[in-house]
Amino acid sequence: KQEVTQIPAALSVPEGENLVLNCSFTDSAIYNLQWFRQDPGKGLTSLLLIQSSQREQTSGRLNASLDKSSGRSTLYIAASQPGDSATYLCAVKDNTDKLIFGTGTRLQVFP
Amino acid sequence: NAGVMQNPRHLVRRRGQEARLRCSPMKGHSHVYWYRQLPEEGLKFMVYLQKENIIDESGMPKERFSAEFPKEGPSILRIQQVVRGDSAAYFCASSPEQANQPQHFGDGTRLSIL
Repeated sequence: KQEVTQIPAALSVPEGENLVLNCSFTDSAIYNLQWFRQDPGKGLTSLLLIQSSQREQTSGRLNASLDKSSGRSTLYIAASQPGDSATYLCAVKDNTDKLIFGTGTRLQVFP
Repeated sequence: NAGVMQNPRHLVRRRGQEARLRCSPMKGHSHVYWYRQLPEEGLKFMVYLQKENIIDESGMPKERFSAEFPKEGPSILRIQQVVRGDSAAYFCASSPEQANQPQHFGDGTRLSIL
């Protein structure tokens, strides 16, 4: 049974810092991995999607890497800003098409 | 507006009543997924539907819960005889028919049971 773990559970940093959020999964037989952002009381915003054959994806200040064989992905946020404060979720998609989510990392970036 | 639309945003029901949650997928998307987020927990898969078909309902409770995605109209998640433990945020996502495309989420319906 696939299990997805995210560490740390919470992170509080001053703005300007570069951050690394970690996601690990127990079964390497995934189709893709997706990183999301969730603001309080809101839905999920898709940030990056990495296919199983890819090693990384970049969008602006965000970079996500995937090491499928070791069951790990990292989300790198460069030059963090207070507007980056949110919960970040990773989710893996298996061959049944459903997403299996981690419990998230709550990020707070203070001025 | 091309996003996934869910309504209502907030729904309050008394124990024993029925709750009906609606989801209109993004234009051109034929796959719909429902997830539930209990307080202080992660999102859990409930059911995956395509037009007029339930593909995977392995995450849905066997009793009181049902889902449909008719040929015309939105997908409906129906909860009969609601109990306090049904209080949660229910999210709908959609994706196109092509494989390995990202799922796009709506803003969710927050269900509160009195």
